[in-house]
Amino acid sequence: EDQVTQSPEALRLQEGESSSLNCSYTVSGLRGLFWYRQDPGKGPEFLFTLYSAGEEKEKERLKATLTKKESFLHITAPKPEDSATYLCAVQANYGGSQGNLIFGKGTKLSVKP
Amino acid sequence: NAGVTQTPKFQVLKTGQSMTLQCAQDMNHEYMSWYRQDPGMGLRLIHYSVGAGITDQGEVPNGYNVSRSTTEDFPLRLLSAAPSQTSVYFCASSPNYNSPLHFGNGTRLTVT
Repeated sequence: EDQVTQSPEALRLQEGESSSLNCSYTVSGLRGLFWYRQDPGKGPEFLFTLYSAGEEKEKERLKATLTKKESFLHITAPKPEDSATYLCAVQANYGGSQGNLIFGKGTKLSVKP
Repeated sequence: NAGVTQTPKFQVLKTGQSMTLQCAQDMNHEYMSWYRQDPGMGLRLIHYSVGAGITDQGEVPNGYNVSRSTTEDFPLRLLSAAPSQTSVYFCASSPNYNSPLHFGNGTRLTVT
């Protein structure tokens, strides 16, 4: 069964304290892995897409990396405004509805000043 | 561009009532989808559409109907609401099947 597991469920950091969020997945063939940010009461907002092992994407204090079985979202010197829930989703390279996104449960990040 | 607009933002229904959740996008996206988000669970796909006139079921379609008569609109109908349908519903769109999704801000539905 295709699955996406995110860890930790919650992470509390001090401002400036760098850390990483993990997304591990089990799909037979990966078409793409997506990272989203979700603020309370809002819909998810797209951050990155990764397609192949070894690929990296960066945006401000965030860097996403991909291996064959997991992805990391590295947060460097976070600020309070980085507080949000970060969602990971994978898309398998099957046809039809099996190729739709499978979302993890998310990691809730809190950054204290 | 307004992006993806969902109405209403909040709704309370009694068991057995029906209603339609509205979703509209102004980005000329072909792909649209409906998800539900429940505490402790990931987003789960209800129905999706790859273009006007074409819809298909996702992971949790029971109790919901959709139609896609225009590119812009993708309403979700609850036929006979049940307490198990209490959730936050998100509509999303993208240029095509493989592109990142643009989400609306959700409809919080409570069924009593």
